[in-house]
Amino acid sequence: GEKVEQHESTLSVREGDSAVINCTYTDTASSYFPWYKQEAGKSLHFVIDIRSNVDRKQSQRLTVLLDKKAKRFSLHITATQPEDSAIYFCAASNNRIFFGDGTQLVVKP
Amino acid sequence: AQTIHQWPVAEIKAVGSPLSLGCTIKGKSSPNLYWYWQATGGTLQQLFYSITVGQVESVVQLNLSASRPKDDQFILSTEKLLLSHSGFYLCAWSLGDWGGAEQYFGPGTRLTVL
Repeated sequence: GEKVEQHESTLSVREGDSAVINCTYTDTASSYFPWYKQEAGKSLHFVIDIRSNVDRKQSQRLTVLLDKKAKRFSLHITATQPEDSAIYFCAASNNRIFFGDGTQLVVKP
Repeated sequence: AQTIHQWPVAEIKAVGSPLSLGCTIKGKSSPNLYWYWQATGGTLQQLFYSITVGQVESVVQLNLSASRPKDDQFILSTEKLLLSHSGFYLCAWSLGDWGGAEQYFGPGTRLTVL
């Protein structure tokens, strides 16, 4: 089955810097790649997604890149703010969804 | 506006006791529904999904069962809790392709099994 790996378990950046979280997947049939954010002690909420028919998607300060050949996708956050601090989960789906282990992003003032 | 409600907010239960967790979605007709489990500090594991009333598919066997008695209601249960059932249980809904759409998560239920 699908296996999603999130390469950074923790990422610490200074406020205003950019942050990049990288994920890889194994199943070439996966076609939907969402990202979710989980603040401490809370539930998940959707951040951004990308489908396999495109290789880039941007929403305000967030950009997702997808490299299907390398089976790799990444979340780029520009001009980070303290409220971006959270655990970010990447996921890959071909009907069934598989999540990575999460990356703890810490944005230091 | 659509809302998703989970109950209870938290539970402390004894090993071997029964469990029932609930989830309701208001404001959406015929959503896809999901149950997830998150171990403390861990990743999410999809447990069940349901595309329609009365039909539930199991994704992972964890000695749990799920039912969808109404379009807007999803129930997770077991007759005998194990220590390994401790964690954070999340209900979610989506529309459209059940595996290819944004999912909206409920606030979750924290379960501690002692």
